[in-house]
Amino acid sequence: EAGVTQFPSHSVIEKGQTVTLRCDPISGHDNLYWYRRVMGKEIKFLLHFVKESKQDESGMPNNRFLAERTGGTYSTLKVQPAELEDSGVYFCASSQVGHGSNEQFFGPGTRLTVL
Amino acid sequence: GDSVTQMEGPVTLSEEAFLTINCTYTATGYPSLFWYVQYPGEGLQLLLKATKADDKGSNKGFEATYRKETTSFHLEKGSVQVSDSAVYFCALKDDYKLSFGAGTTVTVRA
Repeated sequence: EAGVTQFPSHSVIEKGQTVTLRCDPISGHDNLYWYRRVMGKEIKFLLHFVKESKQDESGMPNNRFLAERTGGTYSTLKVQPAELEDSGVYFCASSQVGHGSNEQFFGPGTRLTVL
Repeated sequence: GDSVTQMEGPVTLSEEAFLTINCTYTATGYPSLFWYVQYPGEGLQLLLKATKADDKGSNKGFEATYRKETTSFHLEKGSVQVSDSAVYFCALKDDYKLSFGAGTTVTVRA
């Protein structure tokens, strides 16, 4: 069974441009999470989907970030316009229904560099 | 809010040396505690976990004990191998949200 996949693995863009990151969760996982690690610091929670609904987006840094999960399958995270401080590694994770005690499986991450 | 503090790296060791990475946490509730590992070029993998006080998590020779009295979850391995070179993250989960430490980069030399 395939794990969580993320695309692209690495993106380099100019300040002011737009970037869209994609995450494909493990098949059948209703819960999908986005996290990011900025500048080698701690990994921080961004948001949580249950199927196509946003359950918690309290970690989204500002309105330049937009996450979607149409149809409850894959998710995209768009940054528009990108700023220098958005550089970091963006991780996606998924888990099964009943997430309170279920393991979150992580993808390899997308390394975003904003120049 | 919940937070995790882990020892800063990088840590460089020789093969068969003893490894310990300190981790302490702050939480309002009774969280589950985790150690995740990220090997070069790969995603985060769950290494071990403990769900309540005094529980010991173990996997691949690594161990960590949930110490409520000291709010700690230190990671230990008695004899490391080159293949243990990775970034290690301590984390806690309260309900569904994971809170991570900053990560500790460990390099094991042959």
